Amino acid sequence: EPEVTQTPSHQVTQMGQEVILRCVPISNHLYFYWYRQILGQKVEFLVSFYNNEISEKSEIFDDQFSVERPDGSNFTLKIRSTKLEDSAMYFCASSGLAGTNEQFFGPGTRLTVL
Amino acid sequence: GEDVEQSLFLSVREGDSSVINCTYTDSSSTYLYWYKQEPGAGLQLLTYIFSNMDMKQDQRLTVLLNKKDKHLSLRIADTQTGDSAIYFCAESPNQAGTALIFGKGTTLSVSS
Repeated sequence: EPEVTQTPSHQVTQMGQEVILRCVPISNHLYFYWYRQILGQKVEFLVSFYNNEISEKSEIFDDQFSVERPDGSNFTLKIRSTKLEDSAMYFCASSGLAGTNEQFFGPGTRLTVL
Repeated sequence: GEDVEQSLFLSVREGDSSVINCTYTDSSSTYLYWYKQEPGAGLQLLTYIFSNMDMKQDQRLTVLLNKKDKHLSLRIADTQTGDSAIYFCAESPNQAGTALIFGKGTTLSVSS
């Protein structure tokens, strides 16, 4: 069964460093998303991406964040200068064109900023 | 803004039914979802319901929707220890590609 994959599973970085989180969405999906979950808190939407551009973003997704689909399979989230409060689990998701908006999630990348 | 609320914990015995409740505020929500998260794993889509439905059944899972009260519930029949996980309620409007709004999740603990 097709699934969303994410790498790495755990990333540790120093404050101020840049990180890139990688995702491979389900191959025939057209919408891609990033969410994050700070420990003990809700899963929060960051950004959605369709047709090579951002279609929706939340207030969390400020200038420090960017997304890219560098090739036909990968979808990346870059954080330019990490802060302590960026420590969280980051989930990638993808969905097809169906109006049900069923989103399929990857296993997540745990980002720890020291 | 939109908000989704859930009770945080539920503890049941193996073989009993579990009922996990959720309330939401966005009246334009068209699809409501239940996701399951096992320890160390991602979010697994369990089921969803369209807002013009009152009930949806899928094997051991029954979803009930009271649109007037904006209340959603997930019933798991014959709960097993393997059902122990965090269950998230989420909502979205009727449009592909829009953000899901999640609740904080209900931790279900099943004892044998």
